[in-house]
Amino acid sequence: DADVTQTPRNRITKTGKRIMLECSQTKGHDRMYWYRQDPGLGLQLIYYSFDVKDINKGEISDGYSVSRQAQAKFSLSLESAIPNQTALYFCATSDRTSGGARYNEQFFGPGTRLTVL
Amino acid sequence: GENVEQHPSTLSVQEGDSAVIKCTYSDSASNYFPWYKQELGKRPQLIIDIRSNVGEKKDQRIAVTLNKTAKHFSLHITETQPEDSAVYFCAARYVGDNDMRFGAGTRLTVKP
Repeated sequence: DADVTQTPRNRITKTGKRIMLECSQTKGHDRMYWYRQDPGLGLQLIYYSFDVKDINKGEISDGYSVSRQAQAKFSLSLESAIPNQTALYFCATSDRTSGGARYNEQFFGPGTRLTVL
Repeated sequence: GENVEQHPSTLSVQEGDSAVIKCTYSDSASNYFPWYKQELGKRPQLIIDIRSNVGEKKDQRIAVTLNKTAKHFSLHITETQPEDSAVYFCAARYVGDNDMRFGAGTRLTVKP
């Protein structure tokens, strides 16, 4: 879905480096999420935000921080990257309103593949 | 918090056969159960969802069933086609919450 974009798409970095992953959306959705995907573990929620002043921890927030700079932007930071943070990271958005058959559908970005050496 | 288990982790079927993927959840308060499909190298996309006030929902060749008493729900794909090959994720959450928990995924392969 071109309405949710992530940068960079691929990143290789070294242990101890600070990394920021960016997510932007043009859907006008108020809710944004960051997930991590590892083989065999599905999608694990890192952080989510309901609006600009709202930040909530997900199930695996340790080692990560986020910033919701505007309704359309949600950034994920790794302050000091470590090898076990090597994974595929997805940003997602959803609308507050329920409307229609697809309640609160989450729309995912294309993903950022991060490798920490 | 919610815990979602998904089985099997891999599933291989012949084209035209049916495929069934099952998930169980732990929190009886969960009342929204979506299924996402992720094709190789692509992002997950919602294919069908069900709320706890219904027991079954169909959309062409796919259907989802829910058993609230047993706390499990299943995805059924009939007349499978090679383009159904993908990883399928179930998820569960309480409607009033946004912390959605996903299953570990099922890699479905449809052999022509």
